[in-house]
Amino acid sequence: GIQVEQSPPDLILQEGANSTLRCNFSDSVNNLQWFHQNPWGQLINLFYIPSGTKQNGRLSATTVATERYSLLYISSSQTTDSGVYFCAALNYGGSQGNLIFGKGTKLSVKP
Amino acid sequence: GAGVSQSPSNKVTEKGKDVELRCDPISGHTALYWYRQSLGQGLEFLIYFQGNSAPDKSGLPSDRFSAERTGGSVSTLTIQRTQQEDSAVYLCASSLGGGGGRADTQYFGPGTRLTVL
Repeated sequence: GIQVEQSPPDLILQEGANSTLRCNFSDSVNNLQWFHQNPWGQLINLFYIPSGTKQNGRLSATTVATERYSLLYISSSQTTDSGVYFCAALNYGGSQGNLIFGKGTKLSVKP
Repeated sequence: GAGVSQSPSNKVTEKGKDVELRCDPISGHTALYWYRQSLGQGLEFLIYFQGNSAPDKSGLPSDRFSAERTGGSVSTLTIQRTQQEDSAVYLCASSLGGGGGRADTQYFGPGTRLTVL
């Protein structure tokens, strides 16, 4: 099945800094999502982005499907951005429900 | 409802007992998913329901695990004869389903933290 790898595994930022999180996937995808899991465990969907670029406030994401990677950009980071960021993908021909999650990037934003 | 809800939020049980976890999806969502997350790990797919189609059970780790979805809405995940390795957070998600695009965006509930002693 498809493999999803995220980097870096851990990231510590000073408030106000920018960051880029990367997600590599091993096969063609028809579904790619970014999630933020807050320190209380709640998973929030950030982007549905199998290709192209989207922006939502201080967050933006770009997926280059032909090169099998996606990037999540966080600008002017805030302490509330802390948590774990997951990338999840579904490849063509796979079960439509079987989203494969990466191991996540744990982000800590210091005041 | 406003979001996906799950109950109970926490469950502590003794090894060998059966447990039932409940998920109420977002109203109108035809697709429902169960995942589990072990401590410090990513999410592991368990089972997927789409409308009236046969569920995709390919992620269930053993025959002690089963799930039902009644009336196309509420789902129950049952774990029989629980083992300590079943301890995890069990997460439910729902989506509009039926195709690509925003329909496939999954919205997660708060999870049920299961502890098997």
